[in-house]
Amino acid sequence: AQSVTQPDIHITVSEGASLELRCNYSYGATPYLFWYVQSPGQGLQLLLKYFSGDTLVQGIKGFEAEFKRSQSSFNLRKPSVHWSDAAEYFCAVGGSSNTGKLIFGQGTTLQVKP
Amino acid sequence: EAEVAQSPRYKITEKSQAVAFWCDPISGHATLYWYRQILGQGPELLVQFQDESVVDDSQLPKDRFSAERLKGVDSTLKIQPAELGDSAMYLCASSTGQGNTGELFFGEGSRLTVL
Repeated sequence: AQSVTQPDIHITVSEGASLELRCNYSYGATPYLFWYVQSPGQGLQLLLKYFSGDTLVQGIKGFEAEFKRSQSSFNLRKPSVHWSDAAEYFCAVGGSSNTGKLIFGQGTTLQVKP
Repeated sequence: EAEVAQSPRYKITEKSQAVAFWCDPISGHATLYWYRQILGQGPELLVQFQDESVVDDSQLPKDRFSAERLKGVDSTLKIQPAELGDSAMYLCASSTGQGNTGELFFGEGSRLTVL
């Protein structure tokens, strides 16, 4: 069955520190992978996506993610966190065989300390 | 910038009452999704439309939930009767409909509280 696991429910980092949010997926075919961000009370905004090609993808707001097929992972990184990055982050997986359905992880809440 | 519009943003109702949510996708987007997000969890797909046709409603509790997209544009999600466990954020999203090569654009959601 398709699934996404985000092992860290809550992460706290200091402003200016680096960040890595973990995502592991289970998918029978070639996955399409996404990271979305959700500010409190808001909808979801796409940060970046991976379909094929270069396994290191760049997104908006200085985020990047690396696809590692051998580890079934798609971890999100940012070299220097800003206070405005505090939000909830969701990893999602979909596949080329369907019409756009995404399966989301449970999310990781990021808190940024001044 | 084009956005997905949803209303109402907040709805408080008593159990056994009927509630309805409305979504207007980005113009030209053929695919429309309704997701439910329970507090502390990721969004879960309830129903997916391609134009006016339902593509996937396998996770929609059909005894109390219904969804329609009559003209293939805006959509309504209805719950009747509402139960305490329906308290959640209901998110609408749209995409161009070209499979997963496209991004899903989400609205701000409708937060439902059932008392």
